[in-house]
Amino acid sequence: DSGVTQTPKHLITATGQRVTLRCSPRSGDLSVYWYQQSLDQGLQFLIQYYNGEERAKGNILERFSAQQFPDLHSELNLSSLELGDSALYFCASSTGGGTGELFFGEGSRLTVL
Amino acid sequence: DAKTTQPPSMDCAEGRAANLPCNHSTISGNEYVYWYRQIHSQGPQYIIHGLKNNETNEMASLIITEDRKSSTLILPHATLRDTAVYYCIVKSSSGSARQLTFGSGTQLTVLP
Repeated sequence: DSGVTQTPKHLITATGQRVTLRCSPRSGDLSVYWYQQSLDQGLQFLIQYYNGEERAKGNILERFSAQQFPDLHSELNLSSLELGDSALYFCASSTGGGTGELFFGEGSRLTVL
Repeated sequence: DAKTTQPPSMDCAEGRAANLPCNHSTISGNEYVYWYRQIHSQGPQYIIHGLKNNETNEMASLIITEDRKSSTLILPHATLRDTAVYYCIVKSSSGSARQLTFGSGTQLTVLP
């Protein structure tokens, strides 16, 4: 158990819909990272938050957005969903700084039909 | 960050040592070598990291060559539960964890 909690574990929805994925980081971790893993593209960094503020963006689509709340949990919002958005979405947390030690949650599997 | 090269797949007999190689010939002096693994569809799991000295923890050992251009992750007594994709990643000491680039990794299959 990494200490990172993600909900829901599985989600099935239709094209055009909007979903929200939730992540609770390890106790004490200030940084939260979101990753997308699809079959043909491996693990892709989407966005990072540190103590409530956006720190960096990766390959995140404009239809996607995220935020980190004062209690440090984070949400990833995916809107106008397309078939190609079907993937595993992982959240990871770390203490921040220069550490490369990330703790990943078990992921949310999104299926868009 | 330096790029890494890993074999796409390897097999190992259960109970034997699994030695996973990684080439990082363009590594810079301030870059660490990190290893993660991902058991099928689960979240990646941190294993170990090192700069230039060999490192050991409860999961594995990391052997880095003297010139730092390659490294080997050793699982001393592989079990079926060690079947996973293993990622070798290089990251600078000052860079954020978001700079961890998960490539294709090595699919390790532990055979009974």
